[in-house]
Amino acid sequence: DTGVSQNPRHKITKRGQNVTFRCDPISEHNRLYWYRQTLGQGPEFLTYFQNEAQLEKSRLLSDRFSAERPKGSFSTLEIQRTEQGDSAMYLCASSLGAPGWDTEAFFGQGTRLTVV
Amino acid sequence: TQLLEQSPQFLSIQEGENLTVYCNSSSVFSSLQWYRQEPGEGPVLLVTVVTGGEVKKLKRLTFQFGDARKDSSLHITAAQTGDTGLYLCAGANNQGGKLIFGQGTELSVKP
Repeated sequence: DTGVSQNPRHKITKRGQNVTFRCDPISEHNRLYWYRQTLGQGPEFLTYFQNEAQLEKSRLLSDRFSAERPKGSFSTLEIQRTEQGDSAMYLCASSLGAPGWDTEAFFGQGTRLTVV
Repeated sequence: TQLLEQSPQFLSIQEGENLTVYCNSSSVFSSLQWYRQEPGEGPVLLVTVVTGGEVKKLKRLTFQFGDARKDSSLHITAAQTGDTGLYLCAGANNQGGKLIFGQGTELSVKP
């Protein structure tokens, strides 16, 4: 297994366009998380899935954002009608159970979105 | 709302110097994790601390969890240029699976 894989690595889009990112977690991991990180800041939680169920969504996740994890495998994050404020690194992480003393969350390399 | 405050936000030191990064919160966490992130990459876990007062060492890095499990520190001895990067603390609680991250400490170690 090569770890958590995110595609694309970079995306430049015009304001108002829709974009979709994909995350392939480590194969046996039942939990999948999406975070957003702006330059010089720590990642901010967006949403997470346990298998195919979306268990929590942050208030940061406006109506323009939607995430899915069909069949509990890969996940997609779609942003509709992108705005310049959406420019950020979008990180995906996966884990076997909740991150804590005996469980590590593994992060992908992220998708850097630039809205022009 | 649980928040983690890291200080300092930026740190520029010479190779061989020691440094300490702090991570503070008014909330109690069941565990606290430290990550290191390089430009264009995702965060990579360094250590997890769970017990109040716990101290863990990873070569030249020493991590401590406060007695009340609200704060933590990372101490690096004799910093090397390879230590350069963004250091993040993240708290986990028992109420869900998400991690709450601090804003990070950007460390630059100059030769």
